[in-house]
Amino acid sequence: NAGVTQTPKFRVLKTGQSMTLLCAQDMNHEYMYWYRQDPGMGLRLIHYSVGEGTTAKGEVPDGYNVSRLKKQNFLLGLESAAPSQTSVYFCASERGANYGYTFGSGTRLTVV
Amino acid sequence: AQTVTQSQPEMSVQEAETVTLSCTYDTSESDYYLFWYKQPPSRQMILVIRQEAYKQQNATENRFSVNFQKAAKSFSLKISDSQLGDAAMYFCASESNSGYALNFGKGTSLLVTP
Repeated sequence: NAGVTQTPKFRVLKTGQSMTLLCAQDMNHEYMYWYRQDPGMGLRLIHYSVGEGTTAKGEVPDGYNVSRLKKQNFLLGLESAAPSQTSVYFCASERGANYGYTFGSGTRLTVV
Repeated sequence: AQTVTQSQPEMSVQEAETVTLSCTYDTSESDYYLFWYKQPPSRQMILVIRQEAYKQQNATENRFSVNFQKAAKSFSLKISDSQLGDAAMYFCASESNSGYALNFGKGTSLLVTP
């Protein structure tokens, strides 16, 4: 009963490096999301997907790209990491609109 | 976009007592959904309770209940018989029926003292 799995759980990057965060869900959910959590800011939406092959921008998309080639996977990419992208990243999935999210355990990313 | 406001950055409650966390929201939609999520120190986000705006009855889940005041756009969470395991960050969130994603408040940190 895995639910939503995020890899890696921790990562340290140097400024300018690239990386991909992987989110995988085994619940056959249509909707998937990427949020970032910063102290005092709550959770802010980066990108989301309402189905395989579709993606859309959220509130803070700059510096990030996403892909949803398979229904169960939602990838978040950082092409050139910046210290401002130091954050905790959460992936979530949802069966359909308004059911409520199932979250992954988060990825703590530090950019130095 | 809907905005969600949690005016209490921190709250404290004694074990076995009751505490209420406040949340207000701003929306022009007539149909929407409201949620409370709990984030313990483990960092895992856990759905606590869900409320459908068109339902008058307040949602309850065991010791957790909400006071939903639609006209006032208020959605407070009441925790009864507080336990040490209730210590966490609590986030209020909203989603319109025509939207695709949750809008979160900034959270309230709840401390439970013995």
